[in-house]
Amino acid sequence: GEDVEQSLFLSVREGDSSVINCTYTDSSSTYLYWYKQEPGAGLQLLTYIFSNMDMKQDQRLTVLLNKKDKHLSLRIADTQTGDSAIYFCAEKGQYNQGGKLIFGQGTELSVKP
Amino acid sequence: EAGVTQFPSHSVIEKGQTVTLRCDPISGHDNLYWYRRVMGKEIKFLLHFVKESKQDESGMPNNRFLAERTGGTYSTLKVQPAELEDSGVYFCASSQEGRTSGSSYEQYFGPGTRLTVT
Repeated sequence: GEDVEQSLFLSVREGDSSVINCTYTDSSSTYLYWYKQEPGAGLQLLTYIFSNMDMKQDQRLTVLLNKKDKHLSLRIADTQTGDSAIYFCAEKGQYNQGGKLIFGQGTELSVKP
Repeated sequence: EAGVTQFPSHSVIEKGQTVTLRCDPISGHDNLYWYRRVMGKEIKFLLHFVKESKQDESGMPNNRFLAERTGGTYSTLKVQPAELEDSGVYFCASSQEGRTSGSSYEQYFGPGTRLTVT
């Protein structure tokens, strides 16, 4: 079945870059997402990438997609303490138009001053 | 515009009791989803409504879980009787209907209901 894997924890210093990695198994994935969850809040969509793209940049966020290796990464430049949160990778398969998302376990990002 | 709301934010019940969770989607969103995150694990899909119809309920764990969306507006998720392994955070999400070229069908999530079964 479909599976999404992430490392559980990442700790960086304020001002450094953070790179959160994700691997997935569904070769029919059409969209891949990064969601952010701050304490006590719901999931906020940060960015997404369509499967025919290699890279997407949005201000401090850069998403890289290696479709051959089924590897997705999220780079946060100049990481701030406000970026501390859990980051979830998710994918939607070709056969789930408008349907369910498959999530990873979430990576808890801790930013130290 | 109000976002997705969920009630209650927290619920602590004893094993064997019944709990009903409620989700109010964004007005006009035909798609409504329920997900669950058990402590430290991935967020797992439970089911998907399109208006009042169940489009996909493949993620529902067993028949102790009953989801409804009468009238195609808010939805409830009832757990009866609750077991210890039902503890977790239950998220609701909604998205618009319709297929636009390049649309990602963004799902907007609520803050979740934290359910603890003791």
